[in-house]
Amino acid sequence: ETGVTQTPRHLVMGMTNKKSLKCEQHLGHNAMYWYKQSAKKPLELMFVYNFKEQTENNSVPSRFSPECPNSSHLFLHLHTLQPEDSALYLCASSHPRTSGSSGELFFGEGSRLTVL
Amino acid sequence: TQLLEQSPQFLSIQEGENLTVYCNSSSVFSSLQWYRQEPGEGPVLLVTVVTGGEVKKLKRLTFQFGDARKDSSLHITAAQPGDTGLYLCAGDDKIIFGKGTRLHILP
Repeated sequence: ETGVTQTPRHLVMGMTNKKSLKCEQHLGHNAMYWYKQSAKKPLELMFVYNFKEQTENNSVPSRFSPECPNSSHLFLHLHTLQPEDSALYLCASSHPRTSGSSGELFFGEGSRLTVL
Repeated sequence: TQLLEQSPQFLSIQEGENLTVYCNSSSVFSSLQWYRQEPGEGPVLLVTVVTGGEVKKLKRLTFQFGDARKDSSLHITAAQPGDTGLYLCAGDDKIIFGKGTRLHILP
């Protein structure tokens, strides 16, 4: 139990579907992140939110749309995905880097996405 | 672009043996982190190294940060099956991750 909860754990969707991934953290952190983990590739940072404001968008296609309604919740809305988007999507949280902390990341268990 | 190269990519050894895995970059990092990820779970932080030349120990795991803060190593003494997993290093500045070393300890 890392204090970061992701749902659903597994998701299968067609290319025309719309779905959302949810992340919730109970650690009092103010920074939240979405990462994509594919086979044979490093963890890819997708989005960063600090104090609910998006501070990083790592050239992610617009078919991925993040939402951060408050510092405890983070969503990733998925629309018209491609089969190559199949991956493990990991949410993480940390203290904001501006606070002088080392920015250690606490990860959820991930949402395994399969796009048919 | 900052990159972290981890080696070896895969390592399978017998229980009780010692091993070292590496994390290298041409860039300087203010700190490096090591994570372990087990199947079906997210990565879990093991250690953060901040000072060049720093050595940190976590039971049988010894982490070292290079003097120039461009590389790090993880040494495991007397490996146990519970050490099996994907070991990831991450650079602090942009939270760049290496591809990881997949370690399998055979009982």
